[in-house]
Amino acid sequence: QKEVEQDPGPLSVPEGAIVSLNCTYSNSAFQYFMWYRQYSRKGPELLMYTYSSGNKEDGRFTAQVDKSSKYISLFIRDSQPSDSATYLCAMSVSNFNKFYFGSGTKLNVKP
Amino acid sequence: SAVISQKPSRDICQRGTSLTIQCQVDSQVTMMFWYRQQPGQSLTLIATANQGSEATYESGFVIDKFPISRPNLTFSTLTVSNMSPEDSSIYLCSVRNQDGNSYNEQFFGPGTRLTVL
Repeated sequence: QKEVEQDPGPLSVPEGAIVSLNCTYSNSAFQYFMWYRQYSRKGPELLMYTYSSGNKEDGRFTAQVDKSSKYISLFIRDSQPSDSATYLCAMSVSNFNKFYFGSGTKLNVKP
Repeated sequence: SAVISQKPSRDICQRGTSLTIQCQVDSQVTMMFWYRQQPGQSLTLIATANQGSEATYESGFVIDKFPISRPNLTFSTLTVSNMSPEDSSIYLCSVRNQDGNSYNEQFFGPGTRLTVL
């Protein structure tokens, strides 16, 4: 079983839609949860990180962590064509440990 | 934030040859990593590049195949040796500082796209 599972998509939505991206994981020791965005032919860039459980909001983006279900989500409100990218979840046990990445979900927001 | 550059950005190589990828950071960083990203796959950590000592390799990766150097706190190289088509992938350099127990962002370079024929 993989440490982190993520639906690869692709996910295609119309502009303005609410997008939900999800990951599940198996290691209950994970404490740090990250979402990265990767545009084509670029390296991943950090969108948001969350420590332990709960929600975190940043503009149009909301990250949720449910440790009891080992499930994390990223919501994008009012999606824009510029949001079209691959979104990778990542998690680690501590700030000093290696990151485990999901395989990424490719999102396409149609104008 | 850290700005990371990688050279080359892409290359097409023949089977059996070796390629060295360079990673340069615009500031001193504690930790440098090398990842491989294959189509539809997770980012896979190859190794942690340690300054002044041998790299720490993850399971499934060995020094003979992926020798790594890190002569200082801003530069590292990854060599892909005796290449085969299975080594075709994107190779990413990544950096992170360790600052006590606070969260420290991990930054990624733009990647090197390698195709082995």
